[in-house]
Amino acid sequence: QKEVEQNSGPLSVPEGAIASLNCTYSDRVSQSFFWYRQYSGKSPELIMSIYSNGDKEDGRFTAQLNKASQYVSLLIRDSQPSDSATYLCAVRGGNYQLIWGAGTKLIIKP
Amino acid sequence: DVKVTQSSRYLVKRTGEKVFLECVQDMDHENMFWYRQDPGLGLRLIYFSYDVKMKEKGDIPEGYSVSREKKERFSLILESASTNQTSMYLCASSLLSDRGNSPLHFGNGTRLTVT
Repeated sequence: QKEVEQNSGPLSVPEGAIASLNCTYSDRVSQSFFWYRQYSGKSPELIMSIYSNGDKEDGRFTAQLNKASQYVSLLIRDSQPSDSATYLCAVRGGNYQLIWGAGTKLIIKP
Repeated sequence: DVKVTQSSRYLVKRTGEKVFLECVQDMDHENMFWYRQDPGLGLRLIYFSYDVKMKEKGDIPEGYSVSREKKERFSLILESASTNQTSMYLCASSLLSDRGNSPLHFGNGTRLTVT
């Protein structure tokens, strides 16, 4: 059973600090990795995608991928109250199926 | 921007009714998906489709069927609604990609309540 694991949280971070969200996956041949943000009662929206080892930055967001250790993380710099949401990690495995983590609830405290 | 439109934001149906959930995308995506999302259970794939008139079962297809007569439209059908099908239903679409690097784009969701 291919799995994607995330700490369910809630993760509480002060406003202005760096929020660090982590995700581990079990399928060694996974190729594509995605971070989605989901506000309560809304649908998931894509924040970042990453395909190669290393860091990928987009504004205040940085995705980090380490295939050898089978983890992917999302850093949010200068956290804002509007970043409070559930963050979903999704991993596309060798069979092209997308496996979803259960999500980490992030709370940014003013 | 990709737009995925689900026909209803909220639906209330009675047990035993046949329920149709409609989804339309405007970006000529080959792939379309139906998920349901429940607290504590995350996103679970019901059915997906890689082409017109083509469908594949996901992880929880029981009690559901789908129809894809046109590329842009993917319908989810609850043949005889039951209370355990009360959930948030999410439609998504993506490009067909040999490298598997195409993300999913979601509609706004339909919150279905079966009484």
